[in-house]
Amino acid sequence: LAKTTQPISMDSYEGQEVNITCSHNNIATNDYITWYQQFPSQGPRFIIQGYKTKVTNEVASLFIPADRKSSTLSLPRVSLSDTAVYYCLVGPGTASKLTFGTGTRLQVTL
Amino acid sequence: NAGVTQTPKFQVLKTGQSMTLQCAQDMNHEYMSWYRQDPGMGLRLIHYSVGAGITDQGEVPNGYNVSRSTTEDFPLRLLSAAPSQTSVYFCASSRTGGLNEQYFGPGTRLTVT
Repeated sequence: LAKTTQPISMDSYEGQEVNITCSHNNIATNDYITWYQQFPSQGPRFIIQGYKTKVTNEVASLFIPADRKSSTLSLPRVSLSDTAVYYCLVGPGTASKLTFGTGTRLQVTL
Repeated sequence: NAGVTQTPKFQVLKTGQSMTLQCAQDMNHEYMSWYRQDPGMGLRLIHYSVGAGITDQGEVPNGYNVSRSTTEDFPLRLLSAAPSQTSVYFCASSRTGGLNEQYFGPGTRLTVT
């Protein structure tokens, strides 16, 4: 799987938009980009997956530039309940082994 | 659907004891996997299975065994518990594995003294 780099932590106020960027310089042609969210004492939860350009669902948006060497997870108008660790994973859809790095710890406050 | 279930939720073992962590899913997923998560760390893959009767090693397989006799169940066995195996263990399943959406269980918090 491609190596990824994310900020260790981020802070935000409630109601703001949060953008978490993940660098993956050695992404391969058949690699996808996937983001997971993990709340304390829970297993990770799939948020969004994309290959290029922009993907949006009810939870977040994923922006992928043309060179695909980075991606940005965008959380609109965060609330306290969005406080969690966010993991960026990059690899082929058929990859058997997933590697979760240490992720980005997002702290949302009032 | 119950999704992915894990038992027990908590367990304390003495060094050298053995035990089995249970994992079951009712979504007819072919792919199942076990991860461990140490405090403040990401998840590390222990073992995974791409279907009944097929298992393979992940990143940190030593000290653990798995088997996959049915699609639904994927137990993880600790052969001889060591303090270094103190961790939270998560089981996950997905339809086809890889980066496709994985569903995680609630975890088992294991302490080895």
